[in-house]
Amino acid sequence: DIVMTQSPDSLAVSLGERATINCKSSQSVLYSFDNKNYLAWYQQKPGQPPKVLIYWASTRESGVPDRFSGSGSGTDFTLTISSLQAEDVAIYYCQQFHTTPYTFGQGTMLEIK
Amino acid sequence: VHLVESGGGLVQPGGSLRLSCAASGFTFSNYAMTWVRQAPGKGPEWVSAISNSGVYTYHADSLKGRFIISRDNSENTLYLQMNSLRVEDTAVYYCAKDLGVGVDTPLDSWGQGTLVTVSS
Repeated sequence: DIVMTQSPDSLAVSLGERATINCKSSQSVLYSFDNKNYLAWYQQKPGQPPKVLIYWASTRESGVPDRFSGSGSGTDFTLTISSLQAEDVAIYYCQQFHTTPYTFGQGTMLEIK
Repeated sequence: VHLVESGGGLVQPGGSLRLSCAASGFTFSNYAMTWVRQAPGKGPEWVSAISNSGVYTYHADSLKGRFIISRDNSENTLYLQMNSLRVEDTAVYYCAKDLGVGVDTPLDSWGQGTLVTVSS
């Protein structure tokens, strides 16, 4: 199985500041035939299901604020929130959909400092 | 898009349950579908996925054949048959829509989940 490791496990950032979450996969999730990284980022708030924010590593889902961005390729990926808002408090997960089982990272809890 | 899971509940170890997911608001037969579970206080765990036609199915190896995913495109419904349930299968089970016809796409819509509790 591909192991997804996120860092840090938790993060406290001041309102308006930048938040950065990292995700590392144990093997590449880049498919050469289409040059896409099979990596998504999800946001989960208490009592709610996960919500997709970013897929193909850097494509923002429709309706997601542009303060959310994704980058990286191969095995190393980053989710950046450029200016933290109060409503961004949540747990963030990365997931690879390159090879079954489509594993998730352990999550990063984002809080307000 | 609207996904509504049902069929969860309390079951004894070794028992069986069949989860259903009623889909609406999109052309169900055009999209792959996935089950994801989340144990209390833990992260999501991918369980099973099925292509849009139902021809191709995939399961987590850790389930060792105990779970079977299926779909009825005429009824816009996704199923998960769970057998030989164990205490460690206790979780909220989510039904999710894939972005495309194949399972190798992100999950762009999720239901609210149904709780399965395995306990004696």
